Amino acid sequence: GAVVSQHPSRVICKSGTSVKIECRSLDFQATTMFWYRQFPKQSLMLMATSNEGSKATYEQGVEKDKFLINHASLTLSTLTVTSAHPEDSSFYICSARSSGTTDTQYFGPGTRLTVL
Amino acid sequence: GENVEQHPSTLSVQEGDSAVIKCTYSDSASNYFPWYKQELGKGPQLIIDIRSNVGEKKDQRIAVTLNKTAKHFSLHITETQPEDSAVYFCAVREGSARQLTFGSGTQLTVLP
Repeated sequence: GAVVSQHPSRVICKSGTSVKIECRSLDFQATTMFWYRQFPKQSLMLMATSNEGSKATYEQGVEKDKFLINHASLTLSTLTVTSAHPEDSSFYICSARSSGTTDTQYFGPGTRLTVL
Repeated sequence: GENVEQHPSTLSVQEGDSAVIKCTYSDSASNYFPWYKQELGKGPQLIIDIRSNVGEKKDQRIAVTLNKTAKHFSLHITETQPEDSAVYFCAVREGSARQLTFGSGTQLTVLP
C-alpha cells in the first residue's frame, strides 16, 4: 500500500512552547489530508481536514488558532500545536487520501506528544 | 451524520480459530467501507476495503462482507495467529463526504 510518513515519532516539550509535526505522502499525491487525535484505548477523533492550497476545515470543538494546519503541497501537511499545555498530550495521527480514482485513505505512524 | 457501531469491543480467540467483527452504519448513501488494524503505539494500517458495488472481498486470511440492505459489514479473519492481535477499526464514508467515520474499535487477542 501507499506510504505516509510522519515526523517526529515522539516529542517531549515544555508547557507554553510550540511543536510542529510533519506529514508526508511518499509515493502518491494527496489532495486531502486529515489530522486525528487519539486518546488511550479510544477511537480516532478527527481534528481537521485540509486540501492542498486552501484553509483547513476544523471539526467542532477544535481550536484553529491552537492547532495550525498547513497543506502547502500535494505531499506535505504540517500540524503546529501552539502554546502547548499538558492536556494537549496525546497521540496525533495524520492521514492522506490519494487523489486518484481509488481514493483510499492511508495513515501515518503517529506522533506521541508529551507536554510537561 | 453517519453513525457507526462496532461489536464486539473485545474478542479473544484461540490460535487457529476464526474471528469475526461486525459494524453497522446508518447512512444508506455510504459507499466505501475500509478496515484498519492498529498495533500498540502505531498508526492504523489499511488491511482490506470494500465498495458498495461488491458484496464480498477476500485477501488471503482476511475477508470482508457487506450487506447494504441491512447496512452492516463484517471482517472475517481465518486461521488466526498471535500477530493478528491488535485493535481493529471499521470505517464508513458517505459518497460525497471527504472524511471517514470510524467505529469504536475491537481489541482482538489471539491466544497461543
